[in-house]
Amino acid sequence: ETGVTQSPTHLIKTRGQQVTLRCSSQSGHNTVSWYQQALGQGPQFIFQYYREEENGRGNFPPRFSGLQFPNYSSELNVNALELDDSALYLCAIQGWTGELFFGEGSRLTVL
Amino acid sequence: SQQGEEDPQALSIQEGENATMNCSYKTSINNLQWYRQNSGRGLVHLILIRSNEREKHSGRLRVTLDTSKKSSSLLITASRAADTASYFCATGNTSGTYKYIFGTGTRLKVLA
Repeated sequence: ETGVTQSPTHLIKTRGQQVTLRCSSQSGHNTVSWYQQALGQGPQFIFQYYREEENGRGNFPPRFSGLQFPNYSSELNVNALELDDSALYLCAIQGWTGELFFGEGSRLTVL
Repeated sequence: SQQGEEDPQALSIQEGENATMNCSYKTSINNLQWYRQNSGRGLVHLILIRSNEREKHSGRLRVTLDTSKKSSSLLITASRAADTASYFCATGNTSGTYKYIFGTGTRLKVLA
């Protein structure tokens, strides 16, 4: 039990729509990262937030955006959904020695 | 793009046997971590080894790191059916962003 909660667990959208995924942790860690994991692949880093500011970004277009709130919960927003956005989206908080604690993910299917 | 590549991509062994999986990476790192993922679920942190360490143990897990060869190995001893999962290595760089780059994973199946 990592104490990291993601919602929703599953969702289906159509191309061109927008989606918001949410992440919260019991302990209120100030560093949260989002990863995209396509089927059969390893997680790919989308971006990281530290104290409500974006603190590093992977190779993802601007239609992937995020927010971190004062209580350190976080959102991932994806606009203009494409079929290739279908994936498991993982949120992770960072421990004191650098390890990541992941939520169970949000499974997004784009039709 | 993936930084690391695990080898083999898939591994099937009998319960009680040892499982070894390898990870190679491309750039300089300050630590390397191993994670386990059960099908379709979140990743679970197993062990972290720093760039100045060569070997680390945790229970039935043994990790080695060779920075000159840019490679690491994870050994699971006396495997159990519950060890069936995908295993990923993740490398952390020194930029301060803590942007961890994951490999492609090894799918381990332990037969009872």
